[in-house]
Amino acid sequence: EPEVTQTPSHQVTQMGQEVILRCVPISNHLYFYWYRQILGQKVEFLVSFYNNEISEKSEIFDDQFSVERPDGSNFTLKIRSTKLEDSAMYFCASNGQLNTEAFFGQGTRLTVV
Amino acid sequence: SQQGEEDPQALSIQEGENATMNCSYKTSINNLQWYRQNSGRGLVHLILIRSNEREKHSGRLRVTLDTSKKSSSLLITASRAADTASYFCAPASPAGNMLTFGGGTRLMVKP
Repeated sequence: EPEVTQTPSHQVTQMGQEVILRCVPISNHLYFYWYRQILGQKVEFLVSFYNNEISEKSEIFDDQFSVERPDGSNFTLKIRSTKLEDSAMYFCASNGQLNTEAFFGQGTRLTVV
Repeated sequence: SQQGEEDPQALSIQEGENATMNCSYKTSINNLQWYRQNSGRGLVHLILIRSNEREKHSGRLRVTLDTSKKSSSLLITASRAADTASYFCAPASPAGNMLTFGGGTRLMVKP
């Protein structure tokens, strides 16, 4: 069964460093998303991406965040200068059309120290 | 926002019993999706119900949607220990490009 894959599964970084989280969405999907879940809290929407553009973003997704689809398969989330409060599980998701099931990856646990 | 809020926050039942979880949301939606999450792991999609649907079934799952009350319910019948997980409802924005998750219901099914 097709699945969304995310790498790495766990990343530890020092405060102030840049991190790139990687995702490979399901191959024929067109809509891509990043969500995050701080430990013990709700899953929060960060950004949606379609046709090489951001289509929606939340207040969390400030100038420190960016997304990119560098090739036909990868979808990345970059955090330029990490803060302690960026520590969370980051989930990538995709769907083939709007208003259909969104399939999530297993997540990348980011720990900022 | 159309944030989903689940009720109860925690539910403990015996294997074989049914589990009902409720969700309320605030604004218009295009659809509402239910997910499960095992501790520290990814979100698994369970079922999607569209705003023009009232009930949907998938195996042991039954979902209802009442748009007039802005509420949904997830029923798991004949529960199993393996159903132990957190369950989240996620209303989708009218544009369909954003899901808003609630705090979830932590379900424990005792063998």
